[in-house]
Amino acid sequence: DAEITQSPRHKITETGRQVTLACHQTWNHNNMFWYRQDLGHGLRLIHYSYGVQDTNKGEVSDGYSVSRSNTEDLPLTLESAASSQTSVYFCASGVTGGSQYFGPGTRLTVL
Amino acid sequence: GENVEQHPSTLSVQEGDSAVIKCTYSDSASNYFPWYKQELGKRPQLIIDIRSNVGEKKDQRIAVTLNKTAKHFSLHITETQPEDSAVYFCAALTTGNQFYFGTGTSLTVIP
Repeated sequence: DAEITQSPRHKITETGRQVTLACHQTWNHNNMFWYRQDLGHGLRLIHYSYGVQDTNKGEVSDGYSVSRSNTEDLPLTLESAASSQTSVYFCASGVTGGSQYFGPGTRLTVL
Repeated sequence: GENVEQHPSTLSVQEGDSAVIKCTYSDSASNYFPWYKQELGKRPQLIIDIRSNVGEKKDQRIAVTLNKTAKHFSLHITETQPEDSAVYFCAALTTGNQFYFGTGTSLTVIP
């Protein structure tokens, strides 16, 4: 069955370190998205991609980057982790004009 | 950009009663409105959606209504059960193929 996975599921890191969160989907969706979820803010868009080599900034992109070298993967990199980036991160994929399917989430703690 | 507001932020109902969650959006060009249910520690999962050319859609105990003129849409859950307890998110899809999410409603069904 097609699915979307994220790794790691939990990560603890220190301020200033570079961190990469992986997202892999086997739906063959062109569109992939990264969100962060914080209490009181719902789901906020960090970056998104409409296809290979395409990346776009979302609402809260500062301090994050993505790259899309194939259809299946959209890794999210925190270049220099900050305590404000402690959050739950969700990856999602979908087709244009349709709904999104979410991964299981990564809980990131920056100490 | 789009702005989605969701009310109420918390809702408690007695088992068997109905629950209604409302969302408003600002971009009249938004054309697709999904609703997600998120149980504690889990990923958001699509439960129902509606497109802008439809006024109402039902799926068993769940229904969604859309008023394009007033730019609001609502989730209706009838005959609520304890397993309906979760956080519910509405979303709006803009012509730029970005989803904007409401801040969520925590629904508690009291047995």
